[in-house]
Amino acid sequence: GNSVTQMEGPVTLSEEAFLTINCTYTATGYPSLFWYVQYPGEGLQLLLKATKADDKGSNKGFEATYRKETTSFHLEKGSVQVSDSAVYFCALGQAGTALIFGKGTTLSVSS
Amino acid sequence: DTEVTQTPKHLVMGMTNKKSLKCEQHMGHRAMYWYKQKAKKPPELMFVYSYEKLSINESVPSRFSPECPNSSLLNLHLHALQPEDSALYLCASSPRQGTTTNEKLFFGSGTQLSVL
Repeated sequence: GNSVTQMEGPVTLSEEAFLTINCTYTATGYPSLFWYVQYPGEGLQLLLKATKADDKGSNKGFEATYRKETTSFHLEKGSVQVSDSAVYFCALGQAGTALIFGKGTTLSVSS
Repeated sequence: DTEVTQTPKHLVMGMTNKKSLKCEQHMGHRAMYWYKQKAKKPPELMFVYSYEKLSINESVPSRFSPECPNSSLLNLHLHALQPEDSALYLCASSPRQGTTTNEKLFFGSGTQLSVL
């Protein structure tokens, strides 16, 4: 069946550091891929998405590229801020099934 | 209005109590969801309503009973819960059927439930 694997956290960075959170998936067909973010005490918000191979999703300085050859959708940001501290979930969507979330990666950014 | 509103934000209940969680959206979305989230874990899908009809029930115990009175409202009725049911309960909505490939989910802030 379909699945999502993302790197375990926590990830601890200093402000302005480069961020990568790895996400790989297993799916038949051509799923859509998403990154959701959850700030403390809140629900999840869509950060970015990509719906086909080689698409790049981007938002708020974050980027992720849908790589079919490596079945990956790694999240990157060139310079993180303290306000980026949150839990990040990679997710896979495919017609006929509910969204599948990865286990989440906690990011802590210190000034 | 691009919000999903959940009430109450916090709820403490005993194992013999009956309570309800409420969720409301006015974006015209036709799919609504209940998720359960334990601390430091991803959300787990409980129920999906599409066009006010229950379309997915992920083998949730009968002590959780969903209700969709109209296209804007979603309730979760709770009865005889166990301490292990303590969690953050998230409501979400999406424009159409809930199983469309690239639909965005809009989440509420959740109800933090504690069962004593």
